[in-house]
Amino acid sequence: SQQGEEDPQALSIQEGENATMNCSYKTSINNLQWYRQNSGRGLVHLILIRSNEREKHSGRLRVTLDTSKKSSSLLITASRAADTASYFCATASEQGGKLIFGQGTELSVKP
Amino acid sequence: KAGVTQTPRYLIKTRGQQVTLSCSPISGHRSVSWYQQTPGQGLQFLFEYFSETQRNKGNFPGRFSGRQFSNSRSEMNVSTLELGDSALYLCASSQIAGVTGELFFGEGSRLTVL
Repeated sequence: SQQGEEDPQALSIQEGENATMNCSYKTSINNLQWYRQNSGRGLVHLILIRSNEREKHSGRLRVTLDTSKKSSSLLITASRAADTASYFCATASEQGGKLIFGQGTELSVKP
Repeated sequence: KAGVTQTPRYLIKTRGQQVTLSCSPISGHRSVSWYQQTPGQGLQFLFEYFSETQRNKGNFPGRFSGRQFSNSRSEMNVSTLELGDSALYLCASSQIAGVTGELFFGEGSRLTVL
């Protein structure tokens, strides 16, 4: 079963707008990660946030983590057509062993 | 540094056959994990190998197996293929065991079972 549930499943925006994706999970985590996947390709790691962190930035990406609500959000600012991809959150449990991925959010950025 | 390499990229098999997929991790990475991705189930963890030992296994039938060699290259095998095994099989490597840090993924092997 999937640990992470992502919302929305699909998101369509115009270039220059911000995109926000949300992820909820069920059990205690060591960290939460976000990955990007271009159509049918491999996943690319975007950012990792540890359970004792609340916010992290990387370029145009901002990730927040609320462990009390077991949720995270990924914000992409000033989106570009090249940001069109599927975005997945993945959680690493405190016990380790595997990353559990959410179902993903399909982002479409129109030029 | 070369990335994670998976071969073959595409393959077509028929039900009942078996298939072997190969993964070469990033140089220096000793952990290799395998994931199955399908439209219905999403990304499902298959297993992780570290230093030639299987450290963790997902909830898949025994038809799915794997191994890791002393050079950290890994193979996974699926026997007695079923239609539902059609999927993108992704391999990922990392420096540390336990799959808690950043994973580096290959481009995947797309298996179609007819």
